[in-house]
Amino acid sequence: DAGITQSPRYKITETGRQVTLMCHQTWSHSYMFWYRQDLGHGLRLIYYSAAADITDKGEVPDGYVVSRSKTENFPLTLESATRSQTSVYFCASRQGPSNTEAFFGQGTRLTVV
Amino acid sequence: KQEVTQIPAALSVPEGENLVLNCSFTDSAIYNLQWFRQDPGKGLTSLLLIQSSQREQTSGRLNASLDKSSGRSTLYIAASQPGDSATYLCAVRVGETSGSRLTFGEGTQLTVNP
Repeated sequence: DAGITQSPRYKITETGRQVTLMCHQTWSHSYMFWYRQDLGHGLRLIYYSAAADITDKGEVPDGYVVSRSKTENFPLTLESATRSQTSVYFCASRQGPSNTEAFFGQGTRLTVV
Repeated sequence: KQEVTQIPAALSVPEGENLVLNCSFTDSAIYNLQWFRQDPGKGLTSLLLIQSSQREQTSGRLNASLDKSSGRSTLYIAASQPGDSATYLCAVRVGETSGSRLTFGEGTQLTVNP
């Protein structure tokens, strides 16, 4: 299906484990983003990528790692999950630097126990 | 630092009512403003995008306005329906750093009662 998809939709993991959240888009958008959504904080940017092999930190990058070897994929890895990383994670994409819409995936609800 | 505020946090209205959701931002140097809808447990659906040079955008029963100088935007929903019940998020796109990220408000939770 066309669009932006995230997997898994739900994940429960234990403290200290490594977890990877996947994001795939079919539009060949240059920009991709990872946000987390928490009560009281709204959506906050974790990492973004302007193109394949170009990534940079957002507002709350600590404890996360990203890569972008292909334009269509932008995985987010929690190297050693902590309870504070329990959140809903959203991936988004945008066509380019010009004034275009951002489109969001359905989200991944991650619980760290 | 850009901050986005949405008032009210929650709103309950009877079906058929026209309503206005408010969004304010602290730094008027924005590229654009985007309104989203979020259903419980779901992702964000883009509703309207207003460029910084525009005053308003319309899509069906939705009309969004932008007043950059005062740092305000409103989302007008005409003839509300129960299916409009959702959380509405306002987001502004700021600067050239962080990929011109979106800064979000915390949303207005709308309930339209039949």
